[in-house]
Amino acid sequence: GDSVTQMEGPVTLSEEAFLTINCTYTATGYPSLFWYVQYPGEGLQLLLKATKADDKGSNKGFEATYRKETTSFHLEKGSVQVSDSAVYFCALSDRSGNTGKLIFGQGTTLQVKP
Amino acid sequence: DAGVTQSPTHLIKTRGQQVTLRCSPKSGHDTVSWYQQALGQGPQFIFQYYEEEERQRGNFPDRFSGHQYPNYSSELNVNALLLGDSALYLCASSFPSGESSYNEQFFGPGTRLTVL
Repeated sequence: GDSVTQMEGPVTLSEEAFLTINCTYTATGYPSLFWYVQYPGEGLQLLLKATKADDKGSNKGFEATYRKETTSFHLEKGSVQVSDSAVYFCALSDRSGNTGKLIFGQGTTLQVKP
Repeated sequence: DAGVTQSPTHLIKTRGQQVTLRCSPKSGHDTVSWYQQALGQGPQFIFQYYEEEERQRGNFPDRFSGHQYPNYSSELNVNALLLGDSALYLCASSFPSGESSYNEQFFGPGTRLTVL
């Protein structure tokens, strides 16, 4: 079945460093791809999305490009802040059953130090 | 505009007991999905309700059941609780469009269930 694999964490960076969190997926069709962020004690918030190949999703300085040829959707940010410390989840939207159910990776914890 | 709300925030139960978790979707949304997030893991899809019917189900046993009311709010029921049911239970709401897989799902803050 469809699946998502993320790089293991935690990822620890200094403020203003460049961030990359790798995400690859396996899917039988053409899913939509998402990055969600979870701050401590909270639910999930959509960070960005891409719905077709070569689309670039972006929000709050974060970017990710839907790469069909490498089945990847890596998250990047040019300069991280302490407030970016959170758990980041890559997800795909499974089209089977026409419900748009989400399949998540295991999450990557980001710690940004001042 | 209230987002997705869930109750209770925290819950402690013992093995063998039954639990009911509640979710109110974001205004204008009629579809509710439930996810289980074990500690240190990504959320796992339990099931989705639309028009008061279960539309799709993930790989969860029949001990997990749900309901959706005419006002679109939803309940998740878990019977015969096991220690392994301890998790954060997330509710997400959305509304259908022409391509349902493009729908953004809005998540609530979750209910933390601890089974002792």
